[in-house]
Amino acid sequence: SQTIHQWPATLVQPVGSPLSLECTVEGTSNPNLYWYRQAAGRGLQLLFYSVGIGQISSEVPQNLSASRPQDRQFILSSKKLLLSDSGFYLCAWSVLRASEAFFGQGTRLTVV
Amino acid sequence: SQQGEEDPQALSIQEGENATMNCSYKTSINNLQWYRQNSGRGLVHLILIRSNEREKHSGRLRVTLDTSKKSSSLLITASRAADTASYFCATAAFNQAGTALIFGKGTTLSVSS
Repeated sequence: SQTIHQWPATLVQPVGSPLSLECTVEGTSNPNLYWYRQAAGRGLQLLFYSVGIGQISSEVPQNLSASRPQDRQFILSSKKLLLSDSGFYLCAWSVLRASEAFFGQGTRLTVV
Repeated sequence: SQQGEEDPQALSIQEGENATMNCSYKTSINNLQWYRQNSGRGLVHLILIRSNEREKHSGRLRVTLDTSKKSSSLLITASRAADTASYFCATAAFNQAGTALIFGKGTTLSVSS
């Protein structure tokens, strides 16, 4: 069966520090991978998606970046965090771009 | 960019009552999906309805889709306290880069016993 792992669960980082969130998927090959951000009490904002290794599409220009160094690994990064980067970050995967998405448990990021 | 908009934003009901949530969207879609999110957790897929379908059932869930009105509804019958969660609609919409799932802001459902 397929599983998705996302870590860490919570993170408190100072403004200006770097960020690296990792997401891995098991039990499937060539998944479509997504990073979403959810601000408190709001919906999900699609940040990045990837249809293959090294293929990253960005939906919202910002100081975040994403990479897919391996087929089932998706990394969200920032060189310098801003206060506005605080939020709940969710990684997800799907077989097809328009099919059912499976989510990780999320990372609660607080930038202080 | 936000594609779907759920209505109402919040809904409080008693156990045993039915809960209806609505979703409106803006562009042509491939399918529409509903997800559930318990507080502080990831989203869980509930049901997918394709653009050529009008109604779909899954257990106590009933979803309708009206592509002419660009709207969908999720009905939870005989609600339980365990149904308390946020519910999101997501549309698989075609854009310049292909197709991606775009989520609405969600409806927060509270079911009291």
